[in-house]
Amino acid sequence: DVKVTQSSRYLVKRTGEKVFLECVQDMDHENMFWYRQDPGLGLRLIYFSYDVKMKEKGDIPEGYSVSREKKERFSLILESASTNQTSMYLCATQHPNYGYTFGSGTRLTVV
Amino acid sequence: GQNIDQPTEMTATEGAIVQINCTYQTSGFNGLFWYQQHAGEAPTFLSYNVLDGLEEKGRFSSFLSRSKGYSYLLLKELQMKDSASYLCAAPDSNYQLIWGAGTKLIIKP
Repeated sequence: DVKVTQSSRYLVKRTGEKVFLECVQDMDHENMFWYRQDPGLGLRLIYFSYDVKMKEKGDIPEGYSVSREKKERFSLILESASTNQTSMYLCATQHPNYGYTFGSGTRLTVV
Repeated sequence: GQNIDQPTEMTATEGAIVQINCTYQTSGFNGLFWYQQHAGEAPTFLSYNVLDGLEEKGRFSSFLSRSKGYSYLLLKELQMKDSASYLCAAPDSNYQLIWGAGTKLIIKP
């Protein structure tokens, strides 16, 4: 089974802090994604990556950046956390049949 | 454009059957996915349909009609643990999944 590991399940950060959310997969998948999910809004794509050092903006990239230095690791960075970035963050990898496997999610609270 | 539509919320009774519908519009077709998401957790894979017809997997079945752009997820013998959101998704022209907003299923005793 594909395993997608997100480094933290719960995180509390202060406004203005730089926040790193880490995601590691163990199946050599090329495509990786970062979503945020808020009540009533569904999954919203922040950034995705098709290969090492490649990144593409999703639907809501403002206030975020990403890093993919190694194939198995895709990091989401909040350059200066704000309260409106309080959310559930989900990392996913894509299988050859196009389906996704998600990490367990990180619930980030910015105070 | 590309779009996935599903009802926002449904309520059903324990032991009963419920059908959750999904209509989709995508450029090309590369399958239709259903995921289950319990509150506070990540979505998990339920089913993948590429061909028309019904695919059964235990208490859960998924149906696809490509000509109608329509799918449904059928849950039988409902249990309280089936209370969750059910997400419909289909690949777009770049093979990324386009997600429906999810259907919250409430099971009552």
